[in-house]
Amino acid sequence: QKEVEQNSGPLSVPEGAIASLNCTYSDRVSQSFFWYRQYSGKSPELIMSIYSNGDKEDGRFTAQLNKASQYVSLLIRDSQPSDSATYLCAVNTGRRALTFGSGTRLQVQP
Amino acid sequence: NAGVTQTPKFQVLKTGQSMTLQCAQDMNHNSMYWYRQDPGMGLRLIYYSASEGTTDKGEVPNGYNVSRLNKREFSLRLESAAPSQTSVYFCASSERALVAGHSYNEQFFGPGTRLTVL
Repeated sequence: QKEVEQNSGPLSVPEGAIASLNCTYSDRVSQSFFWYRQYSGKSPELIMSIYSNGDKEDGRFTAQLNKASQYVSLLIRDSQPSDSATYLCAVNTGRRALTFGSGTRLQVQP
Repeated sequence: NAGVTQTPKFQVLKTGQSMTLQCAQDMNHNSMYWYRQDPGMGLRLIYYSASEGTTDKGEVPNGYNVSRLNKREFSLRLESAAPSQTSVYFCASSERALVAGHSYNEQFFGPGTRLTVL
């Protein structure tokens, strides 16, 4: 079992819809969780971080964390074509480095 | 404030050649990292440096060496390149912070080096 799992997609949503991206992790001691956005040919860009159970909102983005079920999700409201990218989930288990999922490709159709 | 910078952006090597990838950050971060990214495999940690003067192996260290030259710079060396090392290499840096009782470690990435080994 991979430590951090994501559906590779592509996840296709129409412009203006809510995109829901999910991530599960295997290590129960995981402490902090991150979502990165990566455009094709570019480097990962940090868009959200979450440490406590529940929701955290930042503009059109909402991160949701459920430690009991070991999943973290990212909701993107009012999706725009510019949101089309690969979204990487990353988990920190207390070590210095992050463990990344392989990413979910999101396509927002105009 | 350039953030994390990497050189070169692109490189083509022949099998057996050596090269050093350079990384520098101007955010005064203590920790620095080298990752490789291959299609369908996400980012995998090669080496990291928790602070100046220390380095540790990550998930895929074989075939690589690193040097933490000072707080700003962290280089990755391929002594004898192999086709399996064809990949995109990313450097990142972070600084541990405490927020509302939680210790966290947000990493920021450089633009990457696209390496092809023939």
